[in-house]
Amino acid sequence: AQSVSQHNHHVILSEAASLELGCNYSYGGTVNLFWYVQYPGQHLQLLLKYFSGDPLVKGIKGFEAEFIKSKFSFNLRKPSVQWSDTAEYFCAVKVTDSWGKFQFGAGTQVVVTP
Amino acid sequence: DGGITQSPKYLFRKEGQNVTLSCEQNLNHDAMYWYRQDPGQGLRLIYYSQIVNDFQKGDIAEGYSVSREKKESFPLTVTSAQKNPTAFYLCASSISQTSYNEQFFGPGTRLTVL
Repeated sequence: AQSVSQHNHHVILSEAASLELGCNYSYGGTVNLFWYVQYPGQHLQLLLKYFSGDPLVKGIKGFEAEFIKSKFSFNLRKPSVQWSDTAEYFCAVKVTDSWGKFQFGAGTQVVVTP
Repeated sequence: DGGITQSPKYLFRKEGQNVTLSCEQNLNHDAMYWYRQDPGQGLRLIYYSQIVNDFQKGDIAEGYSVSREKKESFPLTVTSAQKNPTAFYLCASSISQTSYNEQFFGPGTRLTVL
């Protein structure tokens, strides 16, 4: 079955630490890739997206992600986290031959301690 | 401001009752979606609609129904046939079904069935 896997369900780290969240998908065709973030009590919002071109994409709030096609991965990174990065992060994949259907990963809860 | 509104924010119902969750968007988006979010399971697609008067079942459509009579509105009915309806429900929209569009999310409705 086609799926999106996020490797970590919970991550706890200190401020200024580096963050990397893994995302792998199992679709064989062309995909569009997204990372969304859900801050406590807020809407899901888009962090960054990849459609084509440079596989290293930069998003808001200092986040970036790298698409590695051979590994079916789209890992999210931030060099130095802040307490305000405490949130749940979701990877999503859209298969381009499907009618707008997104597949989301299970999410990673990130807690940044002061 | 353009966006997606969902009402109510919290909803309580007795077991065996149908309940309808509202979703309205003023983004002029063609496509709309309903997701269910449960802890540790990410977002799972219930129904989606690419255009007015058309909608398709998602991965977990059993016990739910939708309508799309207007472009801006996509209400979701949780019926008594849904075995475990207590959850957080998210509505989303995107410009169209083509690939190069992310989804935008509403604030969600938390449904509790007593």
